[in-house]
Amino acid sequence: SQQGEEDPQALSIQEGENATMNCSYKTSINNLQWYRQNSGRGLVHLILIRSNEREKHSGRLRVTLDTSKKSSSLLITASRAADTASYFCATSGGGAQKLVFGQGTRLTINP
Amino acid sequence: GAVVSQHPSWVICKSGTSVKIECRSLDFQATTMFWYRQFPKQSLMLMATSNEGSKATYEQGVEKDKFLINHASLTLSTLTVTSAHPEDSSFYICSASLAGSNTGELFFGEGSRLTVL
Repeated sequence: SQQGEEDPQALSIQEGENATMNCSYKTSINNLQWYRQNSGRGLVHLILIRSNEREKHSGRLRVTLDTSKKSSSLLITASRAADTASYFCATSGGGAQKLVFGQGTRLTINP
Repeated sequence: GAVVSQHPSWVICKSGTSVKIECRSLDFQATTMFWYRQFPKQSLMLMATSNEGSKATYEQGVEKDKFLINHASLTLSTLTVTSAHPEDSSFYICSASLAGSNTGELFFGEGSRLTVL
Protein backbone atom coordinates (compact mmCIF):
# COMPACT_ATOMS: atom_id res chain seq x y z
CA SER A 1 0.00 0.00 0.00
CA GLN A 2 1.18 3.47 -0.77
CA GLN A 3 -0.70 4.94 2.15
CA GLY A 4 1.54 7.19 4.12
CA GLU A 5 1.99 7.89 7.74
CA GLU A 6 1.75 11.25 9.37
CA ASP A 7 3.13 12.47 12.61
CA PRO A 8 2.21 13.62 15.00
CA GLN A 9 -1.27 12.14 15.04
CA ALA A 10 -2.38 15.05 17.17
CA LEU A 11 -0.81 18.43 17.83
CA SER A 12 -1.97 21.14 20.21
CA ILE A 13 -0.25 24.53 20.27
CA GLN A 14 -0.91 28.11 21.28
CA GLU A 15 -2.14 30.67 18.82
CA GLY A 16 0.72 32.45 17.14
CA GLU A 17 3.09 29.50 17.31
CA ASN A 18 4.20 27.55 14.27
CA ALA A 19 2.82 24.08 13.56
CA THR A 20 4.81 21.42 11.74
CA MET A 21 3.33 18.19 10.46
CA ASN A 22 5.24 15.41 8.75
CA CYS A 23 4.23 12.82 6.20
CA SER A 24 6.03 9.75 4.94
CA TYR A 25 5.08 7.55 2.02
CA LYS A 26 6.24 4.27 0.57
CA THR A 27 6.42 4.32 -3.22
CA SER A 28 7.53 6.72 -5.93
CA ILE A 29 5.17 9.62 -6.58
CA ASN A 30 4.24 12.19 -9.21
CA ASN A 31 3.18 14.74 -6.65
CA LEU A 32 2.23 15.14 -3.03
CA GLN A 33 -0.66 17.25 -1.86
CA TRP A 34 -1.83 18.57 1.48
CA TYR A 35 -5.49 18.89 2.35
CA ARG A 36 -7.36 20.30 5.28
CA GLN A 37 -10.57 18.92 6.75
CA ASN A 38 -12.74 20.62 9.31
CA SER A 39 -14.69 18.23 11.49
CA GLY A 40 -17.47 16.52 9.55
CA ARG A 41 -16.74 18.44 6.36
CA GLY A 42 -15.16 17.78 3.01
CA LEU A 43 -11.55 18.36 2.13
CA VAL A 44 -9.99 21.60 1.04
CA HIS A 45 -6.90 21.54 -1.14
CA LEU A 46 -4.03 23.50 0.37
CA ILE A 47 -0.96 22.97 -1.74
CA LEU A 48 0.57 20.59 -4.28
CA ILE A 49 4.27 19.91 -4.65
CA ARG A 50 5.63 17.97 -7.58
CA SER A 51 8.25 15.26 -7.27
CA ASN A 52 10.90 17.50 -8.85
CA GLU A 53 10.25 20.32 -6.39
CA ARG A 54 11.81 20.61 -2.95
CA GLU A 55 9.93 23.46 -1.36
CA LYS A 56 6.81 25.46 -1.97
CA HIS A 57 5.11 28.38 -0.24
CA SER A 58 1.56 29.58 -0.15
CA GLY A 59 0.71 32.35 2.28
CA ARG A 60 1.44 31.04 5.78
CA LEU A 61 2.04 27.54 4.46
CA ARG A 62 5.40 26.06 3.63
CA VAL A 63 5.76 22.56 2.24
CA THR A 64 8.96 20.63 1.75
CA LEU A 65 9.50 17.39 -0.09
CA ASP A 66 12.42 15.00 0.24
CA THR A 67 11.99 12.23 -2.30
CA SER A 68 15.14 10.45 -1.13
CA LYS A 69 13.57 10.04 2.30
CA LYS A 70 10.04 9.75 0.91
CA SER A 71 8.85 12.41 3.28
CA SER A 72 7.19 15.80 3.30
CA SER A 73 6.46 18.42 5.90
CA LEU A 74 3.81 21.09 6.21
CA LEU A 75 4.60 24.18 8.24
CA ILE A 76 1.88 26.62 9.23
CA THR A 77 3.37 29.83 10.55
CA ALA A 78 1.73 32.25 12.97
CA SER A 79 -1.11 29.83 13.66
CA ARG A 80 -4.65 31.04 14.27
CA ALA A 81 -7.57 29.44 16.08
CA ALA A 82 -9.25 29.03 12.69
CA ASP A 83 -6.42 26.71 11.62
CA THR A 84 -7.84 24.05 13.94
CA ALA A 85 -8.60 21.09 11.67
CA SER A 86 -7.24 17.76 10.48
CA TYR A 87 -4.50 17.90 7.89
CA PHE A 88 -3.85 15.10 5.43
CA CYS A 89 -1.10 14.48 2.97
CA ALA A 90 -1.98 12.58 -0.18
CA THR A 91 0.16 11.13 -2.92
CA SER A 92 -0.43 10.15 -6.49
CA GLY A 93 1.89 8.21 -8.71
CA GLY A 94 2.30 5.71 -11.49
CA GLY A 95 0.20 7.66 -13.97
CA ALA A 96 -2.93 7.42 -11.86
CA GLN A 97 -4.87 10.45 -10.70
CA LYS A 98 -6.22 8.74 -7.62
CA LEU A 99 -4.91 9.99 -4.31
CA VAL A 100 -3.79 7.86 -1.41
CA PHE A 101 -4.13 9.61 1.91
CA GLY A 102 -2.00 9.58 5.00
CA GLN A 103 -3.47 9.04 8.44
CA GLY A 104 -3.75 12.74 9.15
CA THR A 105 -2.76 15.09 11.93
CA ARG A 106 -5.40 16.65 14.15
CA LEU A 107 -4.24 20.18 14.85
CA THR A 108 -5.72 22.21 17.69
CA ILE A 109 -4.83 25.88 18.06
CA ASN A 110 -5.57 27.18 21.52
CA PRO A 111 -6.55 30.86 21.78
CA GLY B 1 -15.05 27.59 -9.65
CA ALA B 2 -14.48 23.82 -9.42
CA VAL B 3 -17.28 23.12 -6.96
CA VAL B 4 -18.34 19.56 -6.18
CA SER B 5 -21.71 19.02 -4.56
CA GLN B 6 -22.86 15.91 -2.73
CA HIS B 7 -26.42 15.00 -1.87
CA PRO B 8 -27.70 14.13 0.61
CA SER B 9 -25.32 15.55 3.19
CA TRP B 10 -26.67 13.12 5.74
CA VAL B 11 -29.04 10.19 5.63
CA ILE B 12 -30.44 7.73 8.15
CA CYS B 13 -31.87 4.47 6.89
CA LYS B 14 -33.04 1.13 8.16
CA SER B 15 -30.92 -1.96 7.84
CA GLY B 16 -31.57 -3.76 4.57
CA THR B 17 -32.54 -0.72 2.55
CA SER B 18 -30.52 0.88 -0.24
CA VAL B 19 -29.23 4.43 -0.24
CA LYS B 20 -28.09 6.51 -3.22
CA ILE B 21 -25.57 9.33 -2.87
CA GLU B 22 -25.04 11.80 -5.69
CA CYS B 23 -21.86 13.63 -6.56
CA ARG B 24 -22.08 16.52 -9.00
CA SER B 25 -19.46 18.79 -10.49
CA LEU B 26 -21.33 22.08 -10.64
CA ASP B 27 -19.21 24.24 -12.90
CA PHE B 28 -16.86 21.88 -14.66
CA GLN B 29 -16.78 18.56 -16.43
CA ALA B 30 -15.26 15.62 -14.64
CA THR B 31 -14.33 12.56 -16.64
CA THR B 32 -13.13 10.90 -13.47
CA MET B 33 -14.59 10.91 -10.00
CA PHE B 34 -13.37 9.11 -6.92
CA TRP B 35 -15.35 7.75 -4.00
CA TYR B 36 -13.84 7.57 -0.54
CA ARG B 37 -15.17 6.47 2.83
CA GLN B 38 -13.98 7.77 6.15
CA PHE B 39 -14.62 6.32 9.59
CA PRO B 40 -14.54 8.64 12.62
CA LYS B 41 -11.11 10.06 13.33
CA GLN B 42 -9.58 8.03 10.54
CA SER B 43 -8.21 8.78 7.12
CA LEU B 44 -9.94 8.57 3.77
CA MET B 45 -9.91 5.17 2.12
CA LEU B 46 -10.39 5.05 -1.64
CA MET B 47 -13.29 2.80 -2.60
CA ALA B 48 -13.45 3.16 -6.35
CA THR B 49 -12.61 5.26 -9.36
CA SER B 50 -15.59 6.25 -11.44
CA ASN B 51 -15.08 6.94 -15.14
CA GLU B 52 -17.75 8.55 -17.28
CA GLY B 53 -19.36 6.06 -19.60
CA SER B 54 -17.53 3.00 -18.32
CA LYS B 55 -17.49 0.63 -15.39
CA ALA B 56 -15.97 1.79 -12.15
CA THR B 57 -12.66 0.43 -10.93
CA TYR B 58 -12.92 -0.84 -7.38
CA GLU B 59 -10.13 -1.02 -4.85
CA GLN B 60 -9.20 -4.33 -3.34
CA GLY B 61 -11.63 -5.42 -0.68
CA VAL B 62 -14.51 -3.23 -1.84
CA GLU B 63 -17.56 -5.23 -2.90
CA LYS B 64 -18.80 -4.19 -6.33
CA ASP B 65 -22.29 -5.53 -5.77
CA LYS B 66 -22.52 -3.79 -2.43
CA PHE B 67 -21.40 -0.37 -3.59
CA LEU B 68 -22.85 0.33 -7.02
CA ILE B 69 -21.30 3.22 -8.88
CA ASN B 70 -22.74 4.87 -11.95
CA HIS B 71 -21.09 7.73 -13.85
CA ALA B 72 -23.56 8.41 -16.62
CA SER B 73 -22.59 11.98 -17.43
CA LEU B 74 -19.59 14.29 -17.20
CA THR B 75 -21.09 16.02 -14.17
CA LEU B 76 -22.72 13.26 -12.15
CA SER B 77 -21.59 10.11 -10.40
CA THR B 78 -23.75 8.14 -8.00
CA LEU B 79 -22.88 5.67 -5.26
CA THR B 80 -25.61 3.28 -4.13
CA VAL B 81 -25.09 1.36 -0.92
CA THR B 82 -27.23 -1.71 -1.39
CA SER B 83 -28.81 -3.65 1.48
CA ALA B 84 -27.13 -1.35 3.96
CA HIS B 85 -26.10 -2.66 7.36
CA PRO B 86 -24.92 -0.80 10.48
CA GLU B 87 -21.28 -1.49 9.59
CA ASP B 88 -21.80 0.55 6.40
CA SER B 89 -22.39 3.63 8.53
CA SER B 90 -19.66 6.03 7.53
CA PHE B 91 -18.80 9.34 5.93
CA TYR B 92 -18.69 9.00 2.14
CA ILE B 93 -16.79 11.64 0.18
CA CYS B 94 -16.48 12.07 -3.55
CA SER B 95 -13.88 13.99 -5.47
CA ALA B 96 -13.46 14.98 -9.08
CA SER B 97 -10.65 15.98 -11.36
CA LEU B 98 -11.01 18.66 -14.00
CA ALA B 99 -11.37 17.08 -17.43
CA GLY B 100 -8.19 17.72 -19.40
CA SER B 101 -6.29 19.00 -16.41
CA ASN B 102 -2.86 17.65 -15.54
CA THR B 103 -2.41 19.55 -12.28
CA GLY B 104 -3.24 16.52 -10.17
CA GLU B 105 -5.54 18.54 -7.93
CA LEU B 106 -8.82 16.99 -6.91
CA PHE B 107 -11.92 18.85 -5.80
CA PHE B 108 -13.89 17.32 -2.96
CA GLY B 109 -17.54 17.34 -2.09
CA GLU B 110 -18.72 18.10 1.44
CA GLY B 111 -19.36 14.47 2.16
CA SER B 112 -22.44 12.41 2.97
CA ARG B 113 -22.88 10.91 6.41
CA LEU B 114 -24.72 7.61 6.33
CA THR B 115 -26.20 6.11 9.48
CA VAL B 116 -27.74 2.67 9.20
CA LEU B 117 -30.00 1.69 12.08
